[in-house]
Amino acid sequence: SQTIHQWPATLVQPVGSPLSLECTVEGTSNPNLYWYRQAAGRGLQLLFYSVGIGQISSEVPQNLSASRPQDRQFILSSKKLLLSDSGFYLCAWTDRGRNYGYTFGSGTRLTVV
Amino acid sequence: SQQGEEDPQALSIQEGENATMNCSYKTSINNLQWYRQNSGRGLVHLILIRSNEREKHSGRLRVTLDTSKKSSSLLITASRAADTASYFCATVLVSSGSARQLTFGSGTQLTVLP
Repeated sequence: SQTIHQWPATLVQPVGSPLSLECTVEGTSNPNLYWYRQAAGRGLQLLFYSVGIGQISSEVPQNLSASRPQDRQFILSSKKLLLSDSGFYLCAWTDRGRNYGYTFGSGTRLTVV
Repeated sequence: SQQGEEDPQALSIQEGENATMNCSYKTSINNLQWYRQNSGRGLVHLILIRSNEREKHSGRLRVTLDTSKKSSSLLITASRAADTASYFCATVLVSSGSARQLTFGSGTQLTVLP
């Protein structure tokens, strides 16, 4: 069965520090991968998506970047965090080309202090 | 801007009652999906309805889609305290192609009182 792993669950980082959040998917190949951010009490904002290794599309220009070094690995990074980067980050995957729902990871609560 | 907007923003009902949440969107969709999120957790996919479908059922869930009005509704029948969560509608636009990125609404917070 397919599973998605996202870590860490919580993270407190000082302003100006780097960030690396990792997401891996098991039990499937060639997935579409996504990074979303959720502000408190709000809906989800799409940050990045990827349809293949090394293929990254950015939806919102900001202080973050994403990479897909392997088929089932998706990484969200920042060189220098801002206070406004605080939020709940969610990784998700879906089967490319089919009308399936997304499977979400359990999320990372990032607090920049 | 948000593609989908849910209504109401918050809903409080008694256990056993039905809960109805509505969603409106702006541009042509490939499909519309509903998700549930318990506080501080990831989202769980509930149901997907394609643009050529009008109604779909899954257990106690019933979803309708009216593409002429660009709206959808989610009905939860015989609600339980465990249904307390935030519910989001999300759309895959026709223009998204194989990327199939989801655009989420702002959600409805459902509270079911025991």
